[in-house]
Formats: sequence, C-alpha cells, structure tokens
Amino acid sequence: QVQLVQSGAEVKKPGASVKVSCKTSGYTFTRYDFNWVRQVTGQGLEWMGWMNPNTGKTGSSQKFEGRLTITKNTSESTVFMELSSLSSEDTAVYYCARAPLKGSSYFDYWGQGTLVTVSS
Amino acid sequence: IVMTQSPATLSVSPGERATLSCRASQSVSANLAWYQQKPGQAPRLLIYGASTRATGVPARFSGSGSGTEFTLTISSLQSEDFALYSCQQYYNWPGTFGQGTKVEIK
Repeated sequence: QVQLVQSGAEVKKPGASVKVSCKTSGYTFTRYDFNWVRQVTGQGLEWMGWMNPNTGKTGSSQKFEGRLTITKNTSESTVFMELSSLSSEDTAVYYCARAPLKGSSYFDYWGQGTLVTVSS
Repeated sequence: IVMTQSPATLSVSPGERATLSCRASQSVSANLAWYQQKPGQAPRLLIYGASTRATGVPARFSGSGSGTEFTLTISSLQSEDFALYSCQQYYNWPGTFGQGTKVEIK
C-alpha cells in the first residue's frame, strides 16, 4: 500500500534551517509529483512548493521563494524539504503530499506530518 | 483564488445530516476537493472532481456543485465523522485551501 513517512519533530532557533524528509513506498516514486503543505495551529492548510521527482523540477509559493529547497534521493524514494531563515511564524506542522495529477492537483496520500517548532 | 468555507463551526447530533459550504472567489469548474482532518492526523482525501468519492470513503459522504459554489453533505453523522473539513481548488496552480469547517458534537 502507498505510504509516505516523514521524519520526526524538530525544534529550531530563529535564523536556523530545518530539513524534513518524506520516504515513500508502495508505488513508483518517479510517477507522481510531490507537494509540501504546512498548517499553523488553528489555521488552514497552506501550499508551499512542489517537485516532479522524475525531472527534478521544482517550484514554490512566492511566500517561500529564496527560503525553500526541495530535493530528492531517487534510490531511497525520498523527498526532502528544507526551509531556511526560520522565524517563530514558521512554527507549524509540515506535510508532504502526493499529487495524482500533473500541474494543479488535489492530494491523494499524505505523510503523517512533522511538527517544526521555532523558539529561542 | 480565495476559498471561503461556512460555517466555521457546525454543531450536529449523531445521526443527523451535515451540510458544509465552500465558495470560490472565481470559477474553478469542478476542480474541487474535500479533505477530512482529525486532531493530530494528516488530512484525508474524501472527494475530488467536486463529486467523486476517493477510494474507501463511505457513501454517506457526497459532494456537489461547480463553478463557485460547492457543498459537502454527510447524510447521517457517525461518531468518527466529527472532524475538520477543508476544501481545496486545483483549477489554478497552485491549489488553495479554505480555512475549514469544524464539525462538532451537539
């Protein structure tokens, strides 16, 4: 069965970077795009960026441009999200999600989420 | 595209029908998905294409609408249905989400 398993919770200081992994199984890794979505406590879901794991092409929301890096390790069927220059406003749960459509898509499978806490 | 959900909180008794609304600031055709999210869990895809149930989703969940107005109906609420429900348009890239409707026990 399809599974997306994310790395564990992180605590970071302001100005630091965080790298979250999303390991996939149960399907062909390169066949579906990945997206990263975050959720601040009490707020709605916010799209951050995406990657085509076949081509390596990425894109991100203007809000995160320059701070967000999405990479992959195809041999391990894993996608990574790195967010730099963290502030307290980046405290949130971060999700990876698989997109069954190319381009704009809904998300059919999600990782369990990774809580990132930014605090001095 | 801004997605607006109403109401923010819906209090319903078990066994009753729940009707949730999602409005888009411009037409998204039928490119609308609904997700269910329980505390401490990831979102779960319920509906895509405005009205197609995802695999394994019970028939008591139904979606309708097109253009700018959409509805998620839960025909007879079960205890496991009390959760946060979010809509997402994927007509324009990137997709955008509504703020969610919390369905709570009355």
